[in-house]
Amino acid sequence: GNSVTQMEGPVTLSEEAFLTINCTYTATGYPSLFWYVQYPGEGLQLLLKATKADDKGSNKGFEATYRKETTSFHLEKGSVQVSDSAVYFCALSKQGAQKLVFGQGTRLTINP
Amino acid sequence: NAGVTQTPKFRILKIGQSMTLQCTQDMNHNYMYWYRQDPGMGLKLIYYSVGAGITDKGEVPNGYNVSRSTTEDFPLRLELAAPSQTSVYFCASSYSVIVQETQYFGPGTRLLVL
Repeated sequence: GNSVTQMEGPVTLSEEAFLTINCTYTATGYPSLFWYVQYPGEGLQLLLKATKADDKGSNKGFEATYRKETTSFHLEKGSVQVSDSAVYFCALSKQGAQKLVFGQGTRLTINP
Repeated sequence: NAGVTQTPKFRILKIGQSMTLQCTQDMNHNYMYWYRQDPGMGLKLIYYSVGAGITDKGEVPNGYNVSRSTTEDFPLRLELAAPSQTSVYFCASSYSVIVQETQYFGPGTRLLVL
């Protein structure tokens, strides 16, 4: 079946540090890949997405590249801010399917 | 637009009680979803709907029921609450089934069953 595995959290960094949150997936065919972010007390928001191999999604300084050869979609940011503190979810959606499959989430805390 | 709204924000239930979690969207989206989020886990799909009058089971439907009488509303019913249903429940909607389509989430309902 389809599944998503994320880096174990929680992750704590200092402001301006480099961020990587690992995400790997198992799926047949060519899924679309997503990163959602959940700020404290809020619902999930789409952060970025990629729909085919080698696509790079980017938003708010975050980037992730769809790597089919390693079945990965790692989230990166060059310089994190306190406001980036949140829970980050990697997810996939099979082509033609309306259902998202989520990873377990990674809690990120940025200290000033 | 308010987007996706959910009520209540928080509820405590006793074992065996029933309740309905409300979800409304004002974006005229055809597709609506209910997820539950357990601590330290990702979201799991409970039920979804592809339009008014049409619903289908997701990954973890046992203990829940849904209905979709209008495009805007997609309530989730718990008939006999159990401690295993303690979770945070998120409603979401999307315009279509196109794979690139974004799902928009409500703020969640935190449910505690004691």
